[in-house]
Amino acid sequence: GAVVSQHPSRVICKSGTSVKIECRSLDFQATTMFWYRQFPKKSLMLMATSNEGSKATYEQGVEKDKFLINHASLTLSTLTVTSAHPEDSSFYICSARDLGAPSSYEQYFGPGTRLTVT
Amino acid sequence: RKEVEQDPGPFNVPEGATVAFNCTYSNSASQSFFWYRQDCRKEPKLLMSVYSSGNEDGRFTAQLNRASQYISLLIRDSKLSDSATYLCVVTGNTGGFKTIFGAGTRLFVKA
Repeated sequence: GAVVSQHPSRVICKSGTSVKIECRSLDFQATTMFWYRQFPKKSLMLMATSNEGSKATYEQGVEKDKFLINHASLTLSTLTVTSAHPEDSSFYICSARDLGAPSSYEQYFGPGTRLTVT
Repeated sequence: RKEVEQDPGPFNVPEGATVAFNCTYSNSASQSFFWYRQDCRKEPKLLMSVYSSGNEDGRFTAQLNRASQYISLLIRDSKLSDSATYLCVVTGNTGGFKTIFGAGTRLFVKA
């Protein structure tokens, strides 16, 4: 199957700092990527849909100025958590659709980034 | 009502048992359905797609009933390695492509 990578896998930062998370599709082009967050023992919640070359679409309740998304190329989307606070500590996962795959509804997930804000 | 609802779990079963998970979805316009498996502190991985005709992959059988908006997953001859959280996932293209995850059902298979 298609491969999606994320970097970093784990990051610890201090309150007030910003953290950038990268999501890359390694062997396919992804015009659309998705960013999710997952709290312990909870399901994945879609934060935003990242579209190559245009603005991201944010889900209700997600602050676009706090979670900056950039999708500058067909293989890279970045999520920047600005002025992070302890409540932003979570598992952030990206996914991408391979529109060239037989089932374009299938999503491929990155391994996730565990963010801890102290 | 949640868009995708699953059995709350956890399910604790002995090795070799058969276990069934249920899932219902609220949007009748939903188009594709999947079961994902998620191990602790890992990303979800696709287990199988779900079709109206039903599909089987080894010990796993998935079923979709569009009329009842119901999805199921049956695991036969449970193995210790089946212990994980199973996520029911529904996708559609109404107002843009969107994927909705169920909260997941935790399965513990014990020796």
